[in-house]
Amino acid sequence: GEDVEQSLFLSVREGDSSVINCTYTDSSSTYLYWYKQEPGAGLQLLTYIFSNMDMKQDQRLTVLLNKKDKHLSLRIADTQTGDSAIYFCAAASNTGKLIFGQGTTLQVKP
Amino acid sequence: GAGVSQTPSNKVTEKGKYVELRCDPISGHTALYWYRQSLGQGPEFLIYFQGTGAADDSGLPNDRFFAVRPEGSVSTLKIQRTERGDSAVYLCASSPAPYNEQFFGPGTRLTVL
Repeated sequence: GEDVEQSLFLSVREGDSSVINCTYTDSSSTYLYWYKQEPGAGLQLLTYIFSNMDMKQDQRLTVLLNKKDKHLSLRIADTQTGDSAIYFCAAASNTGKLIFGQGTTLQVKP
Repeated sequence: GAGVSQTPSNKVTEKGKYVELRCDPISGHTALYWYRQSLGQGPEFLIYFQGTGAADDSGLPNDRFFAVRPEGSVSTLKIQRTERGDSAVYLCASSPAPYNEQFFGPGTRLTVL
């Protein structure tokens, strides 16, 4: 069935770049999303990429998509302590429902 | 409203009881989704409504779970004979149409004792 996988934990120093990786199985996914969840808070959409794109840049965020390998990454430039959160990768199925990964906890050390 | 709202924010119930969770989507959004997020996991899809009809209910875990959206706006997720394993945060999302960005509500934290 449809599956999305992410590494569970990433620790970086403030000011460094963070790269969070994700793989998915459904090659028909038309949209791929990155959501951020802070403790006790709801899901916040950070960015998304359409499946016919290779890259999308939005301020400090860069999304790279390798459709052949079904691999998605999120790069956060100049990572700040306020970026500490759980980041979810999600793939949209053919009905629009989202299949989420388990989430990557990003820890930013001062 | 300004965003998706969900009530109650917290619900504590006893095993075997019936619960209803409510979702108010953003006005005008035709697509509505329910997800369930267990501790340490990503959200899992439960059911998707397009208008009043359930277009995809493949994520409902068993027949104790049921959801309605009678007028194409507010939706209610109903859980019968609750079990301790039903404890989770239940998230609702709406979007203007399928495949559009989904806007999530804050969730209802359900605890079954």
